[in-house]
Amino acid sequence: GESVGLHLPTLSVQEGDNSIINCAYSNSASDYFIWYKQESGKGPQFIIDIRSNMDKRQGQRVTVLLNKTVKHLSLQIAATQPGDSAVYFCAESGGSNYKLTFGKGTLLTVNP
Amino acid sequence: DAGVTQSPTHLIKTRGQHVTLRCSPISGHKSVSWYQQVLGQGPQFIFQYYEKEERGRGNFPDRFSARQFPNYSSELNVNALLLGDSALYLCATRGGGSWNIQYFGAGTRLSVL
Repeated sequence: GESVGLHLPTLSVQEGDNSIINCAYSNSASDYFIWYKQESGKGPQFIIDIRSNMDKRQGQRVTVLLNKTVKHLSLQIAATQPGDSAVYFCAESGGSNYKLTFGKGTLLTVNP
Repeated sequence: DAGVTQSPTHLIKTRGQHVTLRCSPISGHKSVSWYQQVLGQGPQFIFQYYEKEERGRGNFPDRFSARQFPNYSSELNVNALLLGDSALYLCATRGGGSWNIQYFGAGTRLSVL
């Protein structure tokens, strides 16, 4: 079945470095992609989204890149801070039902 | 403005029992979705409700049911609980100007013993 998955289950970076979290998706009909951050004991927190008619979108310290040719999504975090430590999920949806399909997540650890 | 609120925060039940989880959406949000998150995995879609009607259902047994009320709050019900139902149950709502974005509550942690 269709799924969204992550290449790296864990990522450890030094404070101040840039982080890149990758995600692969298999549903070619997906037209909307979202990144969420989930801290321990909390629900997923929206970070940034992108539609399939775009290949890049920037937010505050974050950038999402979409490569539809290889069905790949990435989240770049600039100047990573200890507060960025969390599990990051990519999710996709397609069609009109707004159902989100999540991957397993990447644990980002930022070392001071 | 208050975010998505869920109650209770934690719940312990035994096998065979029934449970009701509650969700209050962000003001102005008319769509509510429920997700199950097993430890170490991403959330899995259970239901979506919009304007009090079921608009989508995930691959979950009939023991799972939900409803949405006129004030757009929602309940998730699970009957005949199994050990495997132990999970974090998340509610997500959307609406207003950012129509596509689903905002999640902190979830209800259900433990089935």
